[in-house]
Amino acid sequence: EVQLVESGGGLVQPGGSLRLSCAASGFTFSSYWMHWVRQAPGKGLVWVSRINSDGSSTSYADSVKGRFTISRDNAKNTLYLQMNSLRAEDTAVYYCARDPEDYGDYAQFDYWGQGTLVTVSS
Amino acid sequence: SYVLTQPPSVSVAPGQTARITCGGNNIGSKSVHWYQQKPGQAPVLVVYDDSDRPSGIPERFSGSNSGNTATLTISRVEAGDEADYYCQVWDSSSAQGVFGGGTKLTVL
Repeated sequence: EVQLVESGGGLVQPGGSLRLSCAASGFTFSSYWMHWVRQAPGKGLVWVSRINSDGSSTSYADSVKGRFTISRDNAKNTLYLQMNSLRAEDTAVYYCARDPEDYGDYAQFDYWGQGTLVTVSS
Repeated sequence: SYVLTQPPSVSVAPGQTARITCGGNNIGSKSVHWYQQKPGQAPVLVVYDDSDRPSGIPERFSGSNSGNTATLTISRVEAGDEADYYCQVWDSSSAQGVFGGGTKLTVL
């Protein structure tokens, strides 16, 4: 059974940093591209970032470019999102999601984690 | 950047057909995916690549995509279909994922 379990969320002050983790199991993690998607309270889904299967290629939404860094440790079956210079508008539930395809000009999310809440507030 | 436009809400009586649209410039040239999200839960993929269904998704869910509009169709709507629905594409020009704003389906 495919499982994605996020952790690392919490309350952080504006300008602070946080690292999210997503532990994957039930599939060959190193073969799949992975994404982060967020959802502000009461709002819609917003794509955040993507990383290819070996970690050599990444993409970011304009709103987080230069502040967030996606990475992965295939030996630990874990996806990460390092979030720096956090702003109030980054407050959201952050989901990790698996992409069943492995080419760049495409993205689809077939499995999602349960999400972890990040709150940026003083 | 690429924009996907969905109606904020759609209402339908049980047993009827719900159609949720997703508008975008020449969206017919892209692969469109649809997600269902119920309150307090993670999204679930219900249609991918315009019209394919993942295993476990009822045949009542179908999709189409042409021109500037993609459509998710839910036939014989049930109370359990009440949820938010999001369309999604990959914008190759910006190398970014894009979601529509979401549509709240209400079953009357």
